[in-house]
Amino acid sequence: ILNVEQSPQSLHVQEGDSTNFTCSFPSSNFYALHWYRWETAKSPEALFVMTLNGDEKKKGRISATLNTKEGYSYLYIKGSQPEDSATYLCAFMNKAAGNKLTFGGGTRVLVKP
Amino acid sequence: EAEVAQSPRYKITEKSQAVAFWCDPISGHATLYWYRQILGQGPELLVQFQDESVVDDSQLPKDRFSAERLKGVDSTLKIQPAELGDSAMYLCASSSTVYNEQFFGPGTRLTVL
Repeated sequence: ILNVEQSPQSLHVQEGDSTNFTCSFPSSNFYALHWYRWETAKSPEALFVMTLNGDEKKKGRISATLNTKEGYSYLYIKGSQPEDSATYLCAFMNKAAGNKLTFGGGTRVLVKP
Repeated sequence: EAEVAQSPRYKITEKSQAVAFWCDPISGHATLYWYRQILGQGPELLVQFQDESVVDDSQLPKDRFSAERLKGVDSTLKIQPAELGDSAMYLCASSSTVYNEQFFGPGTRLTVL
């Protein structure tokens, strides 16, 4: 069983503050790490697909880093806005498990005005 | 912009009844996924199709769940009979290849009474 852990489970952020949270995954047989944003009553939306150790990706005020050797990825939100309130999911793709994505439990972010 | 369609959005049923969910993936996407997401947890893959063929249904409770994608386009997931523990969000996703980002529909929220 592949274990993908996200921490914290939830966090409250003041509007304008920056924040970050973690996704931990097995470091062996790594293929890819996906990040999704899931707003209430909407479809989960892909943010990043990361495949290379040391990779950094950015989309607006959101960025992510990847360390495949130690098995973690950070997601950063700079200058949080109320529209950033969502659940952020990471999902790990392992070579040995075929093409299956194993999701973490998510980090629920609430940005307070 | 192309989207994954799902219906119904919400379904309330009594235990022992049959329920069915429908998904229409993005046109041209060969790979289709059904996930179940229980509150507080990440989505868990139930079944994956490549065109009309099932490539992974290892986590599908086959005594009560069935899925089909007869023409390799839209798909139906059925539960018969429904049990209280089936209450969850059922998400459908599609991708152009198994290694690419997945595009999710809005999900069907099932409540079994």
